[in-house]
Amino acid sequence: EPEVTQTPSHQVTQMGQEVILRCVPISNHLYFYWYRQILGQKVEFLVSFYNNEISEKSEIFDDQFSVERPDGSNFTLKIRSTKLEDSAMYFCASSWVGPGNEQFFGPGTRLTVL
Amino acid sequence: DAKTTQPPSMDCAEGRAANLPCNHSTISGNEYVYWYRQIHSQGPQYIIHGLKNNETNEMASLIITEDRKSSTLILPHATLRDTAVYYCTAGYNNNDMRFGAGTRLTVKP
Repeated sequence: EPEVTQTPSHQVTQMGQEVILRCVPISNHLYFYWYRQILGQKVEFLVSFYNNEISEKSEIFDDQFSVERPDGSNFTLKIRSTKLEDSAMYFCASSWVGPGNEQFFGPGTRLTVL
Repeated sequence: DAKTTQPPSMDCAEGRAANLPCNHSTISGNEYVYWYRQIHSQGPQYIIHGLKNNETNEMASLIITEDRKSSTLILPHATLRDTAVYYCTAGYNNNDMRFGAGTRLTVKP
């Protein structure tokens, strides 16, 4: 069964450093998403991406965040200058286009900012 | 913000049916109701979704009230591995699904 994959599973970085989280969505899906979950809190929407551009973003997704689909398979989330409060699980998801299409989530990347 | 409300926690005996309620009295007529679950810190796992009709798949059944103001997810024979946080969400297009706090279901032996 096709699945969303994410790398790395765990990333440790120093405050102020740049990190890139990688995701391989399900083949033939056209909508891609990033969510984050701070320990003990709910899953929060960050951004959606369709047709090579951001479709929607939340207030969390400020100028330090960016997304890219550098090739036909990868979807990345970049955090330019990490802060302590960026420590969280980051989940990638993908779906078909259109209403009534469920999102499929990856296993997540645990980001720890020291 | 999430358009749904759920009880924060529920218990269920192993082997029994788990019935998880969700209130979505403000969703519009074209918005789907989705259920996901999250086991420990794993990625949310899709369970089932529906619009107006009741739905069933290999994991669960979804019962939506006729007025669409609420729904119930039914796990017919809960096992210990069904212990998780269950999220009821609603949305129409690809961009408007948001998660709330969910219901923490504990299946007890």
